[in-house]
Amino acid sequence: QKEVEQNSGPLSVPEGAIASLNCTYSDRGSQSFFWYRQYSGKSPELIMFIYSNGDKEDGRFTAQLNKASQYVSLLIRDSQPSDSATYLCASPTGNTPLVFGKGTRLSVIA
Amino acid sequence: SAVISQKPSRDICQRGTSLTIQCQVDSQVTMMFWYRQQPGQSLTLIATANQGSEATYESGFVIDKFPISRPNLTFSTLTVSNLSPEDSSIYLCSVWVRDTATDTQYFGPGTRLTVL
Repeated sequence: QKEVEQNSGPLSVPEGAIASLNCTYSDRGSQSFFWYRQYSGKSPELIMFIYSNGDKEDGRFTAQLNKASQYVSLLIRDSQPSDSATYLCASPTGNTPLVFGKGTRLSVIA
Repeated sequence: SAVISQKPSRDICQRGTSLTIQCQVDSQVTMMFWYRQQPGQSLTLIATANQGSEATYESGFVIDKFPISRPNLTFSTLTVSNLSPEDSSIYLCSVWVRDTATDTQYFGPGTRLTVL
């Protein structure tokens, strides 16, 4: 049974700080990981994906993957109030659709 | 990427009726998926809809309650039958698309269903 675990939060950070969102997964066969952002009342939008160990940076976002520890994280630098949303971690196995974690609600305080 | 539209965007239905949700994609895709997101919850996969074959349902979801059609590579419908208040959710259509580096899954805007 594939499982993706996230701390549901809420996670509160002050504006300008680094927000760190974490995710663990149970299936060692998982090869790729996706981070989605979901604003209230909206559908999930893809932020970034990662499939290699290490860090991947895209603007203010950095995804980190550690396959040995079955751990993936998302760092948001210089957090803005507009980053306040629920962040969903997800992973497929093979050709199957994404399995989602419960999501972490982030609140950036101005 | 893919542009996905859904109709209706929202609806309020009476108990015992049915609602059919349409999903249209701007490109041909092999795999389409239907998810449900109940209030305050994450996304739960209902079924995978591949063109030319029967939909594959996840545990806890059955064809009689959630019949799916997939007549071509750009379109699918999900029907939620015999509605009850517990069916009040957001229903999301999703597709896999081959992007430059990897397959990526995109979502439609969702259909918000309220059952009275």
